[in-house]
Formats: sequence, structure tokens, C-alpha cells
Amino acid sequence: VQLVQSGAEVKQPGESLTISCKTSEESFATEWIGWARQVPGKALEWVGIIYCSDSDVRYRPSLRGHIDISADKSTNTVYLQWGSLRASDSAIYYCYNSGSYWPNGNWGQGTRVTVSS
Amino acid sequence: SSELTQAPDVSVALGQTVTITCQGNSLTIYYVSWYQQRAGQVPVLVLYGDHRRPSQIPDRFSGSRAGDTASLTITGAQAEDEADYYCHSRDSSGHLWLFGPGTKVTVL
Repeated sequence: VQLVQSGAEVKQPGESLTISCKTSEESFATEWIGWARQVPGKALEWVGIIYCSDSDVRYRPSLRGHIDISADKSTNTVYLQWGSLRASDSAIYYCYNSGSYWPNGNWGQGTRVTVSS
Repeated sequence: SSELTQAPDVSVALGQTVTITCQGNSLTIYYVSWYQQRAGQVPVLVLYGDHRRPSQIPDRFSGSRAGDTASLTITGAQAEDEADYYCHSRDSSGHLWLFGPGTKVTVL
């Protein structure tokens, strides 16, 4: 299974942003797609996850209300959206696929998000 | 919620054995997985379901879980094993997921 992410973004604080992660039809129907982020030189941080077939979404508590994760069945694509970016959102964002009990081992190539005035 | 804890650094001589641990209340219930991340690269899954290895991962990587602690052992460490290693599991509620803070493995 290949996960293909959208390209790098440079935004100003307060702007909105959507990044994407495209997967296969089979993966979309049967798996969870998660998001993790990493500030270069720092640890991985879990962001959230969606069960694509029914859009059950879970968020990192500190990010709930700040981000939105959604899935589009017509394009087998998962989205991570911000309505108002903060400088602290700057990081590399990765998507990955997971079963119900453990991850399935496939990660996207990463999307670098830079938020700076 | 809960958290996972890992030692920040560990070193191992080339060809020797090293064990990395991950501790957390949720590990008494839920499986743990482990990721290897070399500098500047995307994380790679090396163990899942406590001890299961993806087919492309060498058998020098092994894992276990007992009580609130999970372990990853590298038997006969190689230079290419130098990386950050992150544990990954659910939180105590079972609804959310966590990464540990990572352990940097240096091969001497």
C-alpha cells in the first residue's frame, strides 16, 4: 500500500490549510489512516486518526477543535485541515495506515508545513 | 489519558546486544509497536503486535511485553541500526494513540 501526501506548504499565522494523503481503494475501505507530526530534531507526536469507511475520528486532546480530519471516498484521500494556523503547527506531517490492533507499516513521504509571518 | 516513557539515549558496541524499553499503564492492556527512524528519513515499522516482525526486518530485532513494560532487543547490533526508536500504542482509554518520546541508539 502506498500513501502519497501533498507537497510542502508555507503559510502565515491565521491562514487556513488543508493537506492530503491519498491511499488505495482497498486500504480506504478497511483501514484506519493516522496522522503524526514531527518538528525536525524532536520526537514524533500522534495527531489523530480516522476510520475511513465510517469517518470515526479521534484527535490528540490538545489539538481537538484546532484541526479537522476527514476522508473522501470518491478519491480515497484523507485530509488534515486547519482553520487558523499557529506558528506551533510548523512540523513535518506524516500519514500512516493502521489496523484495529496495530499499524500496518506504511507511511507517506511527509508534508512539511511552515507557519511564519 | 496516559503516556509512554523511554530512556532518551543508549549506546551499544558493534555486534553486541541492546534492549530498549517503553513503559506505560496502557501497555498492561494494549499491544505495542516499534518504529526505527534514521536521521532525515521516514519512520520504519520494525515490530508490531509486541513481537511480530514485518517481512523485510532482520531477525536480530525482537520484542516482548510484560506488565506495563515493552522491550525491543537488537541482538548483534549493526552500524545501520543507529537511529531513533519510538514505541507506539493506545492510551489507557483505548480510543487514542501515543508515541513514546524516543530512544536514540548509538552504535559504537
